[in-house]
Amino acid sequence: GENVEQHPSTLSVQEGDSAVIKCTYSDSASNYFPWYKQELGKRPQLIIDIRSNVGEKKDQRIAVTLNKTAKHFSLHITETQPEDSAVYFCAATGSGGSYIPTFGRGTSLIVHP
Amino acid sequence: EAGVAQSPRYKIIEKRQSVAFWCNPISGHATLYWYQQILGQGPKLLIQFQNNGVVDDSQLPKDRFSAERLKGVDSTLKIQPAKLEDSAVYLCASRLAGGPYEQYFGPGTRLTVT
Repeated sequence: GENVEQHPSTLSVQEGDSAVIKCTYSDSASNYFPWYKQELGKRPQLIIDIRSNVGEKKDQRIAVTLNKTAKHFSLHITETQPEDSAVYFCAATGSGGSYIPTFGRGTSLIVHP
Repeated sequence: EAGVAQSPRYKIIEKRQSVAFWCNPISGHATLYWYQQILGQGPKLLIQFQNNGVVDDSQLPKDRFSAERLKGVDSTLKIQPAKLEDSAVYLCASRLAGGPYEQYFGPGTRLTVT
């Protein structure tokens, strides 16, 4: 089955800095890669996603890049703000067409004011 | 649009007891997921339904966990008997059938087994 590795497990930045979280996946047939933000005690919420026919996608301060050859994808947050502090999860899905998702272990992002 | 509903929100039981969780997905969402999220970890898929059929349950501990979605809408997840290691948040999510559409998560049920 699919295996998703996520790094780092904890990331501490100063407000205004950029943050990068990286994930690798094992199944080359995976074709959909969502990123979720989970605040303490709340449900995961989709913040951005990318499909395998696209190399990069951007939404305001958030961007995701995908390298299918190397089987890794990354989340980039620019101009970080304290409200960006949360746990971020990557996921890989799509192999076989049934979209069974496999999540990474999460990255705890702390943005210091 | 109403979101994914789950109940109860919190449950405390003793080991070897049984417990059931309920999920009502977003109207029209044929695909439904149950996840187990242990503190400090990512969600782990337990079972995926397409309408009332099981797509994947390879990570469901079938000796103690069961799930059903009889009419292709609501779903229940049951644990019997519970173990200490079952303490976690159980998340339900739903999405439209077909392509790689966004999953919408419910608020989760926090289970504590003592």
